[in-house]
Parts: sequence; structure tokens; C-alpha cells
Amino acid sequence: DTGVSQDPRHKITKRGQNVTFRCDPISEHNRLYWYRQTLGQGPEFLTYFQNEAQLEKSRLLSDRFSAERPKGSFSTLEIQRTEQGDSAMYLCASSELVGAGGGHKTQYFGPGTRLLVL
Amino acid sequence: AQSVSQHNHHVILSEAASLELGCNYSYGGTVNLFWYVQYPGQHLQLLLKYFSGDPLVKGIKGFEAEFIKSKFSFNLRKPSVQWSDTAEYFCAVNQLSGGYNKLIFGAGTRLAVHP
Repeated sequence: DTGVSQDPRHKITKRGQNVTFRCDPISEHNRLYWYRQTLGQGPEFLTYFQNEAQLEKSRLLSDRFSAERPKGSFSTLEIQRTEQGDSAMYLCASSELVGAGGGHKTQYFGPGTRLLVL
Repeated sequence: AQSVSQHNHHVILSEAASLELGCNYSYGGTVNLFWYVQYPGQHLQLLLKYFSGDPLVKGIKGFEAEFIKSKFSFNLRKPSVQWSDTAEYFCAVNQLSGGYNKLIFGAGTRLAVHP
């Protein structure tokens, strides 16, 4: 397994267009996360899935954003009617499921999709 | 809301100098702590992590970090940096209560090591 992969790596679009990004997690990782990173900042949490269920969404995820993980494997993040403020690096991460005793499993990050909205 | 503060946004060092990057977090409960590194043109990679036990954690490439619960700190250290350590370093926290699974990241510290 070569890690988390994301496609495309770069996307340039015009304001108002829709874009969709794909993330393929490490196989057998039950949890998948999306983050957004803007220049000079650390990644900010957007949403996460446990298998196919979307369990948490940040208030950063406006109505124009939608994420899916239909079969509990790959995930897509769609942005409708893009705005210039959406320009950022969109990162995907995956981790194993937290055990019954609680605790956290390490998140492994993909290379990201850099979005530029003109 | 939880937050993570990294005190130094830019650090410039010469090779063989010692490094300490500060990280403080705001959450008072049980946490997991991480340092991630992003080398130029590469994706975020885990440098080291603290889940429980010995508060002095050793990571890859000679890095270590010390968890001081009373100070809400998790500072990263390396006794002698190399040019190849030039990268951006991010501290991150995951709180364990309330079902939180997201990582809260600091703004990052950009390290430049000159030969």
C-alpha cells in the first residue's frame, strides 16, 4: 500500500464553477478526514467519515460543500459555485478505527489537491 | 474552543545548532499530541506522537518532544539540525473526550537550516 492518494493534485477553475476532488485512503482504514489549508495556516478540519457514515462536519463546511464516501472506501469532496475564498489546499487523511478503549489512531495524510479559483 | 499555538512562525538556524520549537494547547482534558513535518514539495508526515506513558517522546530523524501537562506544552527538540531538516513543522492536538476525532493544528513553524 502506497498511502493516501488524492486526485487531482492541482485544479484551476473559474468562480462559479463546480469542482470535485477524490481521495483514496489507505486500504482497511475505516476513518477518512478532510482538511483545508490556506497559506500561512495549519490544516483546518472540515469533516470525517467512519466507513460510509459522515459523523462530523465543521461549520467551515458551508452548504456549497458536500462530501461523500458511498462504499466506505474512496471519498469525494464537491464544491459548488466556487468562490475565490475557496482557494486552498484540500487535504485528505485516513486512520484506523479507534479501539473499544478509546484513544486515537494516527492520521496519515495525502499529498493534497491545490485549488485556485480565478 | 480548543486551540494550538506555535510561538515561532519562522526560525533560521545554521547546521549543528540546537532546535526547540514551542507548542501550547488550550484543552485541559486528556489529549493526544502530534508533530507533523512537511518537507518542500511533499505531503504532511508524522514526526512523532504522544498518546500516554513517558512524556518524553522520541521520533524519527533524531527529533524528540516533551509533554508537560502542567504547562499544556509539547515542545519539539533536536540537538543538532541538518540542512535536510528545512521544512514546515506543525503541532497538532486531538482531544479524547466528547467523541472528538479531529486534529487541531497550530499555524506551523517554517524552519530554514543554512549549511
